[in-house]
Amino acid sequence: AQSVTQLDSQVPVFEEAPVELRCNYSSSVSVYLFWYVQYPNQGLQLLLKYLSGSTLVKGINGFEAEFNKSQTSFHLRKPSVHISDTAEYFCAVSEGNKLVFGAGTILRVKS
Amino acid sequence: NAGVTQTPKFQVLKTGQSMTLQCAQDMNHNSMYWYRQDPGMGLRLIYYSASEGTTDKGEVPNGYNVSRLNKREFSLRLESAAPSQTSVYFCASTNGWYGYTFGSGTRLTVV
Repeated sequence: AQSVTQLDSQVPVFEEAPVELRCNYSSSVSVYLFWYVQYPNQGLQLLLKYLSGSTLVKGINGFEAEFNKSQTSFHLRKPSVHISDTAEYFCAVSEGNKLVFGAGTILRVKS
Repeated sequence: NAGVTQTPKFQVLKTGQSMTLQCAQDMNHNSMYWYRQDPGMGLRLIYYSASEGTTDKGEVPNGYNVSRLNKREFSLRLESAAPSQTSVYFCASTNGWYGYTFGSGTRLTVV
């Protein structure tokens, strides 16, 4: 069975600084990979996805992620964060017709 | 707005009571899912329905039942609520690997 490890439970960062949220998954077989964002008291919103093709995927709100098959990683990056990026971020991997989620990383952007 | 609608948004139950969480989508999606979200554990799949007329267990099905009433609706039932079922419940739907659409969640407290 697939598993997803988000290596940091919380990431504090100052506004306008770069950030990387790390995600590793367990299986090297072909998978689809996703990042979701959850703002306080809301549902989850898709940030970006990797299905095939270019290993660098661009998403909404200036986020991007890089698929690394050899390291089974799919880290999320943003070159300059804003206060409004404060939220919880979830990495997810496909397993059959289901998604398996990581435990989440809380991004706290400080002014 | 098109999307996934969950009712109720909040619920408090006494131990042993039963209730049904409702979910409806208007995007003509084939697959629907029920997840629970607990702090530090991400989202865990309870049950899913890959298509109308089918349902399957996920990672944490004990204490729950589901009904795929038609293509639009997928309900989750707690027959005898327990404090361990205190959680936030999310319904999601999809038509393929373009990303799930999530509802806004139901916050359930069992006392």
